[in-house]
Amino acid sequence: DQQVKQNSPSLSVQEGRISILNCDYTNSMFDYFLWYKKYPAEGPTFLISISSIKDKNEDGRFTVFLNKSAKHLSLHIVPSQPGDSAVYFCATPGGTSYGKLTFGQGTILTVHP
Amino acid sequence: NAGVMQNPRHLVRRRGQEARLRCSPMKGHSHVYWYRQLPEEGLKFMVYLQKENIIDESGMPKERFSAEFPKEGPSILRIQQVVRGDSAAYFCASSPYSSGENQPQHFGDGTRLSIL
Repeated sequence: DQQVKQNSPSLSVQEGRISILNCDYTNSMFDYFLWYKKYPAEGPTFLISISSIKDKNEDGRFTVFLNKSAKHLSLHIVPSQPGDSAVYFCATPGGTSYGKLTFGQGTILTVHP
Repeated sequence: NAGVMQNPRHLVRRRGQEARLRCSPMKGHSHVYWYRQLPEEGLKFMVYLQKENIIDESGMPKERFSAEFPKEGPSILRIQQVVRGDSAAYFCASSPYSSGENQPQHFGDGTRLSIL
């Protein structure tokens, strides 16, 4: 049972355009979400997070939107840069208080110059 | 200000041997998490430890796998009698206390375990 789903295995965008990565979750009790970025042969790096008390959180070129009624979140990167090419994972500690993270399968983002 | 350090980065074992993976958390972090990533999949939680205590091992296979985080030294993930299906990337993460809001886990670069 996949509690966090990223249904797009890959996404390709042109440099300078917007990248939108999507994530769906199954449990309406989940109240905190994170996005991680991962380059090959490296560990995941924390990007941005959002709490369910908000519907948007912004940090520079990265914005995360949360739609609680749809149990859906998305990561917007604008403008996209070639260095953003990586695998992006959404994650949630779910119902735990101590951060045992459940990850989506990941989306491979390729930004073309 | 070193991050989470994992070693070795690559480990090759033959079936039936033991594999030991080490993780030194970030300075000041006393909470360690181990995750496994199989090819083409996301990371899967294995175990959560604090110093000298296993808090949650619900993601650990029931046999052959064990983890510890002693009072001194790194956290160790131990796999006995390895099989081909154990081939994966194993990631360690740490946090200063129980991860919650504004306390994202910081990950090491992983150990890639290959079983011949």
